[in-house]
Parts: sequence; C-alpha cells; structure tokens
Amino acid sequence: SAVISQKPSRDICQRGTSLTIQCQVDSQVTMMFWYRQQPGQSLTLIATANQGSEATYESGFVIDKFPISRPNLTFSTLTVSNMSPEDSSIYLCSVDFRVSSYNEQFFGPGTRLTVL
Amino acid sequence: AQSVAQPEDQVNVAEGNPLTVKCTYSVSGNPYLFWYVQYPNRGLQFLLKYITGDNLVKGSYGFEAEFNKSQTSFHLKKPSALVSDSALYFCAVRDYNAGGTSYGKLTFGQGTILTVHP
Repeated sequence: SAVISQKPSRDICQRGTSLTIQCQVDSQVTMMFWYRQQPGQSLTLIATANQGSEATYESGFVIDKFPISRPNLTFSTLTVSNMSPEDSSIYLCSVDFRVSSYNEQFFGPGTRLTVL
Repeated sequence: AQSVAQPEDQVNVAEGNPLTVKCTYSVSGNPYLFWYVQYPNRGLQFLLKYITGDNLVKGSYGFEAEFNKSQTSFHLKKPSALVSDSALYFCAVRDYNAGGTSYGKLTFGQGTILTVHP
C-alpha cells in the first residue's frame, strides 16, 4: 500500500487569501488526485495530476482557482486561490497504486480548511 | 457516465444486530467497487473491494459486501454491529479494463451515516 501525508492538517484562513496544500507519498506513483469534500457532502474530484504534464480538471473546477503542481513522482501541491467561505471543505489527496494485479486508490488524511 | 447511489442518508441499528448499508451503481464497463469509511476528523479508510471472482467479499473490521450484477448492487454488511462502527460510509465505483490498469475516475456515493446504539 501507499502511505500519504498532507500538510497542513487544518487551517483557518481569511477571505481573499490563498492556501497551498502539500501531499507527500512514500512511493513513486504515476497518478495523483485531489478531491474536495464540502461539509456534509460526498467527495468530488477536482483534478488528476500526472508528473510532467498539466493537471486535468473536472467540470466546475478551473486552474486559476485550483492550481496544481506535480514536480516529481512522490509529491504534489494544490493551491486554493482567492478563497471565499464557500471553499471551506476538506481537501484530500489520493494516489493510484498497484496492489496485486489491480490499481487501487489510497487517500491521505485530508486538510480541513475553514475560510472566514 | 458512471454513478453510485446510496439510498439511505442514515442507518440506525442496535449493537449486536446485523447491519446493512445499501449501494447501487451504474457503469458502462466492468465495475470495480469499493467501500470506504470515514470517522469524525479522520481521512478515508479502505474497507473492501470487489474486482472479480467470488461475489461475497470480506474486508476489514468484520465487514463484508455482496456483489449482485443483476441488481447492480454492492451492499455492505456486518453480522453483529459494534458502537465503534458508527461512522460515515461511502460506496465508490470505477471502470477497469482487463489488464487492471484502468485509470478511470473513482465516483463516490453521497455517503450513509451509520449509528450503532448501545
């Protein structure tokens, strides 16, 4: 399996500011994903990040608002830009990892963001 | 497009009783099904998965799930519930190809809050 860590674990931010969330994996992985979980809601995929290429964003999410970096096979960052209270959510990093003959997704502990 | 439905927002059971958390799915290819659990202020933890083979899948903490292709269902079950099982449960699906190398999107259901009463 893959062990994933995220920093920060939680933060309280002011409206209009930006926060960068880091995701570190203990193994080299090709695919990394960023999810958002709004209060009381399910997980929604923001984007898929492959090393060496631009992230692929899901409908409703744009690069200007959620820029992503993927500088190597074990690390990624997600920035939440120009934050508003509606951005208050848990942000989770996930990786695709080969287990036996199939890929599985493993999740980080999440970053709990509150925007005032 | 693939989708997952968890018809119950909440499930309440008494400790020691069997529990079932329902999940139905829709996917164009072969389904690759998962159950995850989320405890308060914790990340998402993997419980079990179905890819192929035996329709009854056993997972962590005594949970099991039954894949039913004709009903497109993957209900989570446990013979005897514990108070510590109280959490938020997510069913998820993704497509996979025969080589198991699908990078298809993982789609989650809306979640079911399980409460086990002492």
